[in-house]
Amino acid sequence: SAVISQKPSRDICQRGTSLTIQCQVDSQVTMMFWYRQQPGQSLTLIATANQGSEATYESGFVIDKFPISRPNLTFSTLTVSNMSPEDSSIYLCSVVGLAGVGTDTQYFGPGTRLTVL
Amino acid sequence: EDQVTQSPEALRLQEGESSSLNCSYTVSGLRGLFWYRQDPGKGPEFLFTLYSAGEEKEKERLKATLTKKESFLHITAPKPEDSATYLCAVQAGYGGATNKLIFGTGTLLAVQP
Repeated sequence: SAVISQKPSRDICQRGTSLTIQCQVDSQVTMMFWYRQQPGQSLTLIATANQGSEATYESGFVIDKFPISRPNLTFSTLTVSNMSPEDSSIYLCSVVGLAGVGTDTQYFGPGTRLTVL
Repeated sequence: EDQVTQSPEALRLQEGESSSLNCSYTVSGLRGLFWYRQDPGKGPEFLFTLYSAGEEKEKERLKATLTKKESFLHITAPKPEDSATYLCAVQAGYGGATNKLIFGTGTLLAVQP
């Protein structure tokens, strides 16, 4: 099965700074997504990362706060900008379209645990 | 508004004590219902996809079922290694291509030896 990795696995950051999270898949996929999982809450979709074009953001999330890149079919980045303690969360990437599996099923990376002081 | 509710929030079982987790949903056109397992410090691990009422899927001690309003994850003779948070998610929407998942808050299962 495909391997989905995220870097960093965890980080502690100061408020007002930015952090870029990387998601790498070892095979090409059709779609990549970014989710946030806040303590005690469900996973919430931030945006769909579109290859070669601007990401599609969900209601409540904006590009200035969460810029996303997807330069090719195996890699994407999410930046959390101008961080505040409220951004402390686990950030997860997911992918759809792995070879040999259904086109509906999302597979998740291990997550990045972010703490903002 | 599309919504997913899971119950109970937490469940403690003795090893071998079978039980069920519930996922109720309201969506505008269900395209699929997904079950994931999440261990502490890890990303969700895919378990099952169900597409239509009456469908059932099984994997080892787990069996997922689906009706028009809810899904159950039945755990038969659980072992301590089944301890995890179980997440339910729905994929909704009429027509077009959409892969957006709406998640419940999960059921934290603890199986004691």
